[in-house]
Amino acid sequence: AQSVTQLGSHVSVSEGALVLLRCNYSSSVPPYLFWYVQYPNQGLQLLLKYTSAATLVKGINGFEAEFKKSETSFHLTKPSAHMSDAAEYFCAVSRSSNDYKLSFGAGTTVTVRA
Amino acid sequence: DSGVTQTPKHLITATGQRVTLRCSPRSGDLSVYWYQQSLDQGLQFLIQYYNGEERAKGNILERFSAQQFPDLHSELNLSSLELGDSALYFCASSVASPDTGELFFGEGSRLTVL
Repeated sequence: AQSVTQLGSHVSVSEGALVLLRCNYSSSVPPYLFWYVQYPNQGLQLLLKYTSAATLVKGINGFEAEFKKSETSFHLTKPSAHMSDAAEYFCAVSRSSNDYKLSFGAGTTVTVRA
Repeated sequence: DSGVTQTPKHLITATGQRVTLRCSPRSGDLSVYWYQQSLDQGLQFLIQYYNGEERAKGNILERFSAQQFPDLHSELNLSSLELGDSALYFCASSVASPDTGELFFGEGSRLTVL
């Protein structure tokens, strides 16, 4: 079975600082990995996805993530945080690109300090 | 706006009661997924329907059932409600193309069981 672990339930960053959200996966087969964002009182929105095409994946709103098989990680980064990045972020895994039974991590809440 | 519509947005009911949550997927999407989000369990996959047929089942209780109608909208029925069923229930849809891997989420239905 595949699963993901997000390290840190809360992250606080200053505006303009680096955002780093950690995600490690456990999968018996090559995984498909996703990052979703949930803004307050809204549903989840896809930020980016890894489907084995390239290890460095660029997403929306300036976010990117790097797949590292040796570390079983898929950490999410953004060079410069903006106030609008305050949200909850979820890492998710599925067995294949057409298997949408996503297994989600516990989520990381990001707060941005002015 | 993801294009996925869920009603009602908020629902308060008593233990032992039955409720129905409704989801209209994005135009053209054949797959509908139901997820439950709670503080203790996080985001849990419940069930998936594709073009009217059940496709996959996750951690869905026997007291819960779902269906997808010919017009592709879906309903999640929750019966004999318990306090622990209080959660945010998300519906998501996708075209089920093998290349996208993206789910489009509604804003959720928040169920409170008193």
